[in-house]
Amino acid sequence: SAVISQKPSRDICQRGTSLTIQCQVDSQVTMMFWYRQQPGQSLTLIATANQGSEATYESGFVIDKFPISRPNLTFSTLTVSNMSPEDSSIYLCSVETSGTSSYEQYFGPGTRLTVT
Amino acid sequence: GESVGLHLPTLSVQEGDNSIINCAYSNSASDYFIWYKQESGKGPQFIIDIRSNMDKRQGQRVTVLLNKTVKHLSLQIAATQPGDSAVYFCAEQASSYKLIFGSGTRLLVRP
Repeated sequence: SAVISQKPSRDICQRGTSLTIQCQVDSQVTMMFWYRQQPGQSLTLIATANQGSEATYESGFVIDKFPISRPNLTFSTLTVSNMSPEDSSIYLCSVETSGTSSYEQYFGPGTRLTVT
Repeated sequence: GESVGLHLPTLSVQEGDNSIINCAYSNSASDYFIWYKQESGKGPQFIIDIRSNMDKRQGQRVTVLLNKTVKHLSLQIAATQPGDSAVYFCAEQASSYKLIFGSGTRLLVRP
């Protein structure tokens, strides 16, 4: 498994501003991901954070709104830009590690964002 | 604190009983499945996984059953404890790394 930390754990932000969320892993991992979990909903993949290249975004998510950095194999950031109340969600970082039967994905504790 | 899954289906069980949480997945090409547990205010916690070449896998107090014919996955928890109270998500994965999550089930354990 992997130990994943996120900063901040929660924040309340004004609409129109931006927030950068940090994700730190205790070991080098190839695959890092960012998910969104809207209130009362399941998890949706935003993008894959690629080390040394641009992130790969899922349908419905764009780089201008959710820029991602991945400077090394243990760290990534997600920025939520020009926020609106609809961006209020839990944002989760996850990593993929080699497990006993496959590649297992582990999640960080999440960042709870409220946009007013 | 904030809670996840305010409108989720709920399974209520008596402490000590067995729990069965069900999940229907969508993609017949999915070959890897995971169950996650999410407690209030926390990220999802990996519980157990299963590959499509298996129909049953057991862990500590948990068993996952896979029925590929009807695209159905279940999580069985033996001797359910208060600490098992959480929202449980199934997730499926096809050929790539991408996980598709189910909608989740809230498990409530009555003392």
